Amino acid sequence: AQSVTQLGSHVSVSEGALVLLRCNYSSSVPPYLFWYVQYPNQGLQLLLKYTSAATLVKGINGFEAEFKKSETSFHLTKPSAHMSDAAEYFCAVSSAGGTSYGKLTFGQGTILTVHP
Amino acid sequence: KAGVTQTPRYLIKTRGQQVTLSCSPISGHRSVSWYQQTPGQGLQFLFEYFSETQRNKGNFPGRFSGRQFSNSRSEMNVSTLELGDSALYLCASSLGTADFSGANVLTFGAGSRLTVL
Repeated sequence: AQSVTQLGSHVSVSEGALVLLRCNYSSSVPPYLFWYVQYPNQGLQLLLKYTSAATLVKGINGFEAEFKKSETSFHLTKPSAHMSDAAEYFCAVSSAGGTSYGKLTFGQGTILTVHP
Repeated sequence: KAGVTQTPRYLIKTRGQQVTLSCSPISGHRSVSWYQQTPGQGLQFLFEYFSETQRNKGNFPGRFSGRQFSNSRSEMNVSTLELGDSALYLCASSLGTADFSGANVLTFGAGSRLTVL
């Protein structure tokens, strides 16, 4: 079974400050890991994915995440927050193959607030 | 290219009624997955259809069902609605197999927001 834990349901930062959203996963097989963002009244938009090609993954809008197997973590960072980054962020895990392709297991989400 | 289209976007039903939600995937995608999003339970996997066959299902009662047509469009149905079925229902479209990176990336629609009174 797979699971995802996002530490901190709410994170607040000032505009221009570092953004750090934490994600830890549990998986019995090599995982594929994703970060999605959700703006109010919208669906989920993919920010980035980890597929074992590189441990540091760069995504859209200046976000990146680092896969650390020893810590079972996949934390999301952005050097400088922008007001438009305010949204809810979800970390998700899946495994490849067979019946698992269409199933993601999500964390509970982290709401990011950016103050001017 | 066109994204994932979900209809209707908003709907209100009363307890005991049934509802059907529709999802049109990205052209060329053969997999459609459905998720329920609520404030209390978060995002939960309902089921996935691939080439008209249900390939995987989550832990939901039999009142939740779905199907996929030959053009990959999918519908989900909830019968005998309960207050707790109020949620945002998200559809995600994907290839259904590994892409060049080895992963199967899901693209989500904007969702159908169901309110049960």
